[in-house]
Amino acid sequence: QVQLQESGPGLVKPSQTLSLTCTVSGGSVSSGRYYWSWIRQPAGKGLEWIGRIYTSGSTNYNPSLKSRVTISVDTSKNQFSLKLSSVTAADTAVYYCATQDYANSGFDYWGQGTLVTVSS
Amino acid sequence: DIQMTQSPSSVSASVGDRVTITCRASQGISSWLAWYQQKPGKAPKLLIYTASSLQSGVPSRFSGSGSGTHFTLTVSSLQPEDFATYYCQQANSFPLTFGGGTKVEI
Repeated sequence: QVQLQESGPGLVKPSQTLSLTCTVSGGSVSSGRYYWSWIRQPAGKGLEWIGRIYTSGSTNYNPSLKSRVTISVDTSKNQFSLKLSSVTAADTAVYYCATQDYANSGFDYWGQGTLVTVSS
Repeated sequence: DIQMTQSPSSVSASVGDRVTITCRASQGISSWLAWYQQKPGKAPKLLIYTASSLQSGVPSRFSGSGSGTHFTLTVSSLQPEDFATYYCQQANSFPLTFGGGTKVEI
């Protein structure tokens, strides 16, 4: 079964770029079965889809973040990554990486989540 | 964007109760709806996909129904481990969106 683990800085300064990596085990980012996705959740609030990448390299982003987001995949390391530029305090949240099943579109595997705080 | 509206936002229930949560989409999404359970400090867990299909390993007391704009998640007999927050999510069109959540409390 697929296991996901987020990693990256827990503190980012305003206006800088948030960078997170999701390491995949028990599966391959080259698999056509999944979209590799990022979702975030501010403390005490709901879930917001950030975007996803497919093994082909095609991406889909939330329009509310599109101008600041880049999702990429590194097949040699079996990882995929998130970069969010020009961050503000509003980007403070728990960030999850997740797999979205290509066939049924459910987010079936999730990382444990990593808290990223934007503060000077 | 498709807005997903859940009701109620919270519900108080007892072990053994039947609980139903409703999710309405601002436009038709066919059956492209999933339900998740989230406990404090944990990642969401997929319960139901394509509106009514039970994810592997999820107890059969969970069921989903609906299509178009109106969907429901039912827990037939609430167990202690079911006290959590539940979210619906549409996968019909971008951006993928989630409901605001329903907290099931004792």
